[in-house]
Amino acid sequence: AQSVAQPEDQVNVAEGNPLTVKCTYSVSGNPYLFWYVQYPNRGLQFLLKYITGDNLVKGSYGFEAEFNKSQTSFHLKKPSALVSDSALYFCAVRDGRGNNRLAFGKGNQVVVIP
Amino acid sequence: SAVISQKPSRDICQRGTSLTIQCQVDSQVTMMFWYRQQPGQSLTLIATANQGSEATYESGFVIDKFPISRPNLTFSTLTVSNMSPEDSSIYLCSVCYRGEYNEQFFGPGTRLTVL
Repeated sequence: AQSVAQPEDQVNVAEGNPLTVKCTYSVSGNPYLFWYVQYPNRGLQFLLKYITGDNLVKGSYGFEAEFNKSQTSFHLKKPSALVSDSALYFCAVRDGRGNNRLAFGKGNQVVVIP
Repeated sequence: SAVISQKPSRDICQRGTSLTIQCQVDSQVTMMFWYRQQPGQSLTLIATANQGSEATYESGFVIDKFPISRPNLTFSTLTVSNMSPEDSSIYLCSVCYRGEYNEQFFGPGTRLTVL
């Protein structure tokens, strides 16, 4: 069964500094990896995905993520954080063998300090 | 991306009652899912809603507690039956279009509080 680990509960970063949210995964087949963001009282919004190809994936709102197969990681990054990036971030994985079920990490609260 | 609406957006219910949550999509989708997000927790998949047949439930979830309907390709309902305070959660509908690589899109969620 697939699973995701997001080791940190909260990530604090000063506005303008680089932001990194960590994610490691476990899956039997080739991984399909996703990042979602949840703003207060809102549903989840899709940020980006890795399916195959280039290990560096660019997504919405200036976010990017790097797939590292040897470390089974898919960390989310943004070069310069904004206060409006403060939200809950979820990493998710699904098995690329046709199983559409997503496994989510516990989420990381990102707080960008003005 | 899909435009997904859920009704109600929130509700407060008494123990022992049932609540039906509706999910409406603005276009036909291949797959529809129901998730639960308990307070301070991540998302847990309840079931896959299958059009014209019984839903496929994940381990720990049963049809008697969470009956699901999907009469067509744009609409689904989830009922939370015989509620207890432990059912207090956000319930989210998500959809996926045909295609192996496609991401899921999520509705705004229904915040349920059971007293």
